[in-house]
Amino acid sequence: AQSVTQLDSHVSVSEGTPVLLRCNYSSSYSPSLFWYVQHPNKGLQLLLKYTSAATLVKGINDFEAEFKKSETSFHLTKPSAHMSDAAEYFCVGLASGGSYIPTFGRGTSLIVHP
Amino acid sequence: NAGVMQNPRHLVRRRGQEARLRCSPMKGHSHVYWYRQLPEEGLKFMVYLQKENIIDESGMPKERFSAEFPKEGPSILRIQQVVRGDSAAYFCASSGLNTEAFFGQGTRLTVV
Repeated sequence: AQSVTQLDSHVSVSEGTPVLLRCNYSSSYSPSLFWYVQHPNKGLQLLLKYTSAATLVKGINDFEAEFKKSETSFHLTKPSAHMSDAAEYFCVGLASGGSYIPTFGRGTSLIVHP
Repeated sequence: NAGVMQNPRHLVRRRGQEARLRCSPMKGHSHVYWYRQLPEEGLKFMVYLQKENIIDESGMPKERFSAEFPKEGPSILRIQQVVRGDSAAYFCASSGLNTEAFFGQGTRLTVV
């Protein structure tokens, strides 16, 4: 079985400050992990993905995430938040060797203050 | 290579009517997933299909909901006798085997 846990339902930052969105996974198999972003009333856009190559993954718009097996984490970071980053972020897991169904975390709403 | 195409983007139905949501996967993808997103909530898995087969429907409501992915044509999510609680955004995703899923823009169903 696998599960993905996003630890924060809301994260609030000021523009220009770092962003940290937390995600932990639980899987019996080596997972593939993804971060998606959803702007209000929009679809889902892939930010980045981890598929057992480099543990530090760089994505679009200066986002990156680090896969830490010892901590079973895949936190999303960005050095400097922009107003346009305000959106809902989903951590998604896909367990190789197990179910191929993408499993979503509950989502983290990122709020960016001027 | 067009992305995952969902139509319609917006659908309004009266209570008791049927809603049919269509999803055309990306070229070369044979795996389709349907998710429902209720207001202010995350995406909940509904059903996973491969061509002509339902692989996992553990997230589908027991009544009124059905899904198919025929050999030819798009995947269809069908909701019979819609009720107000069915109002939501329905997302379709497609993938190859054990690759990332690409999502459509969603169909926003409103039941009035």
